Amino acid sequence: ETGVTQTPRHLVMGMTNKKSLKCEQHLGHNAMYWYKQSAKKPLELMFVYNFKEQTENNSVPSRFSPECPNSSHLFLHLHTLQPEDSALYLCASSQDPVGTGANEKLFFGSGTQLSVL
Amino acid sequence: DQQVKQNSPSLSVQEGRISILNCDYTNSMFDYFLWYKKYPAEGPTFLISISSIKDKNEDGRFTVFLNKSAKHLSLHIVPSQPGDSAVYFCAALAMTTDSWGKLQFGAGTQVVVTP
Repeated sequence: ETGVTQTPRHLVMGMTNKKSLKCEQHLGHNAMYWYKQSAKKPLELMFVYNFKEQTENNSVPSRFSPECPNSSHLFLHLHTLQPEDSALYLCASSQDPVGTGANEKLFFGSGTQLSVL
Repeated sequence: DQQVKQNSPSLSVQEGRISILNCDYTNSMFDYFLWYKKYPAEGPTFLISISSIKDKNEDGRFTVFLNKSAKHLSLHIVPSQPGDSAVYFCAALAMTTDSWGKLQFGAGTQVVVTP
């Protein structure tokens, strides 16, 4: 148990569907992240939030829309996805954004395995 | 542009022997490095880290070595145990303001420890 909970664990959706991924952290952290992991590829940073404010959008297509209502919750809203978007989507949190010199560890959730048909 | 590379997708090692995982990076601004371990159906968990001011960091059976001139780091696991079978990710970070939050990962190495 890492203190970061993601739901759902598995999601199958059609290209015209709208769905949302949810992440909640119970660690009192200030920074939250979305990563994408495709098979045999590096984890790819998508979005970074610090104190609810988005600080990084790594050229992610607009069909992925993040939302961070507070420091404990992070959502990823999905609409009109493509089959190549099928991947494991991982949420993570850290005390402060990594690289600030405080604590560079990310704590990951178990991920949502997404399949787009 | 992949800045962190793990060129061995898989490694098989006998229980009790040493596992050596390698990682190369291209960005000379990286100055902090981490290894994560991932079991199936779980998220990655932090294993060990090293700052660029050091060339070695040890934690129990795990040791990370950093060669800055070669832009190379390695993770040694001694002795390897069946519970070490997992995917290991190398990650790197530049401790600069414009790199806040941007931890770059390699593609991972699948380690299988056989009895």
